[in-house]
Amino acid sequence: QSVLTQPPSASGTPGQRVTISCSGSSSNIGSNTVNWYQQLPGSAPKLLIYTNNRRPSGVPDRFSGSKSGTSASLAISGLQSEDEADYYCAAWDDSLHAYVFGTGTKVTV
Amino acid sequence: QLQLQESGPGLVKPSETLSLTCTVSGGSISSSNYYWSWMRQSPGKGLEWIGTMYYSGSTQNNPSLKSRVNISKDTSKNQLSLKLSSVTAADTAVYFCARQAVAGPEYWGQGTLVTVSS
Repeated sequence: QSVLTQPPSASGTPGQRVTISCSGSSSNIGSNTVNWYQQLPGSAPKLLIYTNNRRPSGVPDRFSGSKSGTSASLAISGLQSEDEADYYCAAWDDSLHAYVFGTGTKVTV
Repeated sequence: QLQLQESGPGLVKPSETLSLTCTVSGGSISSSNYYWSWMRQSPGKGLEWIGTMYYSGSTQNNPSLKSRVNISKDTSKNQLSLKLSSVTAADTAVYFCARQAVAGPEYWGQGTLVTVSS
């Protein structure tokens, strides 16, 4: 069972802004950086945001990440149909000595 | 262009050892800039980190899998390997290998489904 909690689903219409939360604790988000992954249907996860708010080359600036205390958020602005996917947060957990993933959020456009 | 391809038996019997290989092309598994990791994804437990091999050859595994995990690499073949012993139905999942930077797994293979069943 994941120690990072996300809402199971989120939705929006094209052009809207959607925000996904990721709730953790002092041993993971509270003391380590957060990554976000996008998983399109039938595909492998793709790194979307790393180190809380940095985008790998090729990721549109419509995607942004933030972190505050023991929580993190992923925002998708100007929502597009191709953004329909599952999104996962992840961070190292100092207590579990493991890299942990969130429960995942399915975004529907 | 970096490509990672997982391969191995799609069906493993309970109590046996699951063995998978990740073949890396378009990049060197010996690079000191990256680590190499295994993850898995099952419907019941979501995404789970299995372990990471560092440039030095040392490994760090998920304590939840206890001592069942062995990760190794063959630099001559540019391959990463995973062995998971004493498997049960709970180990049924899609297994992914990934290149990992300091921040975490960044580039994943397409994954391979392994079913544990007699």
